[in-house]
Amino acid sequence: DQQVKQNSPSLSVQEGRISILNCDYTNSMFDYFLWYKKYPAEGPTFLISISSIKDKNEDGRFTVFLNKSAKHLSLHIVPSQPGDSAVYFCAATGGFKTIFGAGTRLFVKA
Amino acid sequence: DVKVTQSSRYLVKRTGEKVFLECVQDMDHENMFWYRQDPGLGLRLIYFSYDVKMKEKGDIPEGYSVSREKKERFSLILESASTNQTSMYLCASSLPADSTDTQYFGPGTRLTVL
Repeated sequence: DQQVKQNSPSLSVQEGRISILNCDYTNSMFDYFLWYKKYPAEGPTFLISISSIKDKNEDGRFTVFLNKSAKHLSLHIVPSQPGDSAVYFCAATGGFKTIFGAGTRLFVKA
Repeated sequence: DVKVTQSSRYLVKRTGEKVFLECVQDMDHENMFWYRQDPGLGLRLIYFSYDVKMKEKGDIPEGYSVSREKKERFSLILESASTNQTSMYLCASSLPADSTDTQYFGPGTRLTVL
């Protein structure tokens, strides 16, 4: 039973346009939601997070939106750059455990 | 900068061998984790530890054990490797004081069991 779901295995976007990566969750008790970015042959690195009591958090080109009623969050990257091409993992935390989604591979075409 | 290192980037072992994967972090983090990453399944937690000599099972502990004798080092042990343990193994650490539980990952070990 996947508590955190990323239903799109891949996404392709033109450089300069917006990338929107989506994530759904089932457990309303999660405290924080995080996005991690992973390049090939490297471990995931933390990108941005949002508390369950907020609906938006912005950091430069990256914005995460949280819709608690829909149990949905999204990561917006504007403008997208070729260096953003990576796998993005959505994650949710509650207590000691962090639950990760399956990841979405983003391709940003130059 | 937090640094998490893993002993090997690539490892090839035979079925039935005992395999040790080592992880070291240099930021005095209490929490350490072992995950495996498989296509379409994301990162799945094998074991975690929140203190020296403490360990907790994650979601998929079967076929694995761990050891944490020192705060900075967390070892994953495959007692008798099997082909279904072929995977990317990722170690991570975090601070318990961080309510977001932001984790810092090592580069991963790609293990192939023949």
